[in-house]
Amino acid sequence: DTGVSQDPRHKITKRGQNVTFRCDPISEHNRLYWYRQTLGQGPEFLTYFQNEAQLEKSRLLSDRFSAERPKGSFSTLEIQRTEQGDSAMYLCASSLVKGTTDTQYFGPGTRLTVL
Amino acid sequence: AQSVTQLGSHVSVSEGALVLLRCNYSSSVPPYLFWYVQYPNQGLQLLLKYTSAATLVKGINGFEAEFKKSETSFHLTKPSAHMSDAAEYFCAVRRTSGSRLTFGEGTQLTVNP
Repeated sequence: DTGVSQDPRHKITKRGQNVTFRCDPISEHNRLYWYRQTLGQGPEFLTYFQNEAQLEKSRLLSDRFSAERPKGSFSTLEIQRTEQGDSAMYLCASSLVKGTTDTQYFGPGTRLTVL
Repeated sequence: AQSVTQLGSHVSVSEGALVLLRCNYSSSVPPYLFWYVQYPNQGLQLLLKYTSAATLVKGINGFEAEFKKSETSFHLTKPSAHMSDAAEYFCAVRRTSGSRLTFGEGTQLTVNP
């Protein structure tokens, strides 16, 4: 059983550039989540999808952020016009919803550094 | 709104000693509760979860946690620490009807030889 994978693992970019991250969930998991983790803090929820539908977005997700899950499988998170404050670890998680049980399994994360 | 408080951002124990990491939650109804572990530059690994079944939950690597509704607590314990337990530990809460996890700020566990 393959776990959640994320690509790239590390990304260094200059302020103002656009970046895109990819997440491949565990096969057949119908929910996919994005979280952001800054140094010394716990992860903070950004958004989640059930199949291809984006069902919830955090207020943390500014207009410069967009996420997609076009075919209900992999997802991409794009950040436009990056700012230094965007530097963080971006974590993806997936789950299979059964009733009210929803255990999220996390990928290794993409660490973004904005110079 | 739900929240999680982890008491002690850093905990240091000797190898072989008891590990106790504290987590208190705030929620209007008993939520689902989780403990995750994070090793440096890695994602989060699920240790254990409480989903309203048995109040004493056993997880991987010898960890367990007890849900105490009267104390709104879900503390993580391990009888005997191992060097490989050194990592950051996160407690998280989720509404039973919800989706997103709300995490505490984490506790860094150091195990001394």
